[in-house]
Amino acid sequence: DSGVTQTPKHLITATGQRVTLRCSPRSGDLSVYWYQQSLDQGLQFLIQYYNGEERAKGNILERFSAQQFPDLHSELNLSSLELGDSALYFCASSVRGSNSPLHFGNGTRLTVT
Amino acid sequence: GQNIDQPTEMTATEGAIVQINCTYQTSGFNGLFWYQQHAGEAPTFLSYNVLDGLEEKGRFSSFLSRSKGYSYLLLKELQMKDSASYLCAWDNYGQNFVFGPGTRLSVLP
Repeated sequence: DSGVTQTPKHLITATGQRVTLRCSPRSGDLSVYWYQQSLDQGLQFLIQYYNGEERAKGNILERFSAQQFPDLHSELNLSSLELGDSALYFCASSVRGSNSPLHFGNGTRLTVT
Repeated sequence: GQNIDQPTEMTATEGAIVQINCTYQTSGFNGLFWYQQHAGEAPTFLSYNVLDGLEEKGRFSSFLSRSKGYSYLLLKELQMKDSASYLCAWDNYGQNFVFGPGTRLSVLP
């Protein structure tokens, strides 16, 4: 158990809809990262937060947004969903970011029909 | 540019030793990580190199050469449960971690 909690585990929704994925980092970890992993694809970095502030952005679509709250949990919002958004979405946390390993949650499997 | 590459698939026999290579191109990074990922599950941290050389951790060892843009993960005494994907990732000073495509390892009896 990595200590990172993601909910829900599975999400099935229709095109055009909006969903929210939630992540609670390990106790004491200030950095939260979001990654997308499509079938047979590598982990694609979406966005990082550090202690409530956005720190880095990857190839995150404009339809996607995220935030980190004062209690350090984070939410990833996906809107106007398309079939191609179907993927595993992982949240990971680390103590401070650099020089410390990422600890991944079990992911949310999103299926857009 | 920034790039990271690994072989797509490897096969090895139970009890054997296997070396998984990772090559990368980047203007700067703060260390290289290795993760194991079983299908449909979360990646789990295996090892980390920030300096050149070999880091040993039980059956797993990882090597880094910054000047050559090269790392490898060495798995000894292979077990069936080692069948998984192995991902290398370089640490972009904590801003993000750039993952390679992963190497799918199959361990045969």
